[in-house]
Amino acid sequence: AAGVIQSPRHLIKEKRETATLKCYPIPRHDTVYWYQQGPGQDPQFLISFYEKMQSDKGSIPDRFSAQQFSDYHSELNMSSLELGDSALYFCASSLSNGAAGNEKLFFGSGTQLSVL
Amino acid sequence: AQRVTQPEKLLSVFKGAPVELKCNYSYSGSPELFWYVQYSRQRLQLLLRHISRESIKGFTADLNKGETSFHLKKPFAQEEDSAMYYCAPLDLNAGGTSYGKLTFGQGTILTVHP
Repeated sequence: AAGVIQSPRHLIKEKRETATLKCYPIPRHDTVYWYQQGPGQDPQFLISFYEKMQSDKGSIPDRFSAQQFSDYHSELNMSSLELGDSALYFCASSLSNGAAGNEKLFFGSGTQLSVL
Repeated sequence: AQRVTQPEKLLSVFKGAPVELKCNYSYSGSPELFWYVQYSRQRLQLLLRHISRESIKGFTADLNKGETSFHLKKPFAQEEDSAMYYCAPLDLNAGGTSYGKLTFGQGTILTVHP
């Protein structure tokens, strides 16, 4: 079965460069979540999208932006990269089931970003 | 293979009843263990981590190395506890990086009836 796909798997950038991370949710999933996991830390929620609209926003820096496209894949754009941005970025997708809630999350393997 | 197992996909209890969400892990090292909760259409939230031994929202979880379990418990369930719960071990020695490897279980949907 198809899972959540993230690309690239690894990314190395220098300070002040830009990076774009991509997340391809499970087919027909309409919700995508982005998380940032620093070294030895638990994941921090960045942002989420439902039906191509931003549904929730967490601790996402102003240098970052994200969007969900018509095919439901999402991209996280990161500009003016800093050393502290080095982390594992992973996304999760789910299929909204209306008021019932409790949609199950499916997690991607993550993109490991290293800023030098 | 290293993995985490949440054997119950669905757990249904009545308000005021005790609840236990099971989590078993198989890791060669000593992972840090977390429980995450996701309320209806909200972000994933950290519920508790075993190293802090804090009790959040009345939930507790004890690491049992002999049984390799980290079951989440609450003596008296409330309706607002209805959510999806994920057990997540963080193996700092895996993943080939300093980030370690965080693996989420399949999740257990808890429904608390009035």
